[in-house]
Amino acid sequence: ELQLVESGGAVVQPGGSLRLSCAASGFTFDDYYMHWVRQAPGKGLEWVSLIKWDGVTTDYADSVKGRFTISRDNSKNSLYLQMNSLRTEDTALYFCTKASGDDFDYWGQGTLVTVSS
Amino acid sequence: DIQMTQSPSSLSASVGDRVTITCRASQSINTYLNWYQQKPGKAPTLLIYAATSLQSGVPSRFSGSGSGTDFTLTISSLQPEDFATYYCQQSASTPYTFGQGTRVEIK
Repeated sequence: ELQLVESGGAVVQPGGSLRLSCAASGFTFDDYYMHWVRQAPGKGLEWVSLIKWDGVTTDYADSVKGRFTISRDNSKNSLYLQMNSLRTEDTALYFCTKASGDDFDYWGQGTLVTVSS
Repeated sequence: DIQMTQSPSSLSASVGDRVTITCRASQSINTYLNWYQQKPGKAPTLLIYAATSLQSGVPSRFSGSGSGTDFTLTISSLQPEDFATYYCQQSASTPYTFGQGTRVEIK
């Protein structure tokens, strides 16, 4: 069974840092692009970042560019999101998603990041 | 960035009704359009990809149409488990963008 399990969410002060992880299982991890998508409380979905199977090609939403870094460890079947200089507007549920071509066919249950003083 | 606009933002319908949700892109995205369903407290699930293709395991009462800038998600006969929020998403170019969502409620 395919699973994506996020972890690392926490309450952090503005300006702080956090590293999210996503453990993948049930598929050949290094065959697929992976993405992070977030959802602020009571709001819609916002794409955050993507990483190609090789771990070299990445892309980011303008709202996080220069502050967040996506990475992966294919030997550990794991995806990461390093979040620095956090702002209150980064408060959200962060989902790890697997890409199938041009869509997101599997999603984790999310990990909650709260940025508050 | 490509803007995605869904309508309506919410709707009330009864079991058995035919429901149509529209999504408009700010520029042509060919058929790079996906639809997701999200129930409260849950992750989104993929319903339709590439504008018209039904994801495996999704009931055939769901269908998608459109190309270019105008797209439609149709539920042919609304079932109790279909009450949820629906999002369109373009994958033509990054940043991938979602519509604001359409909440389908029980009448």
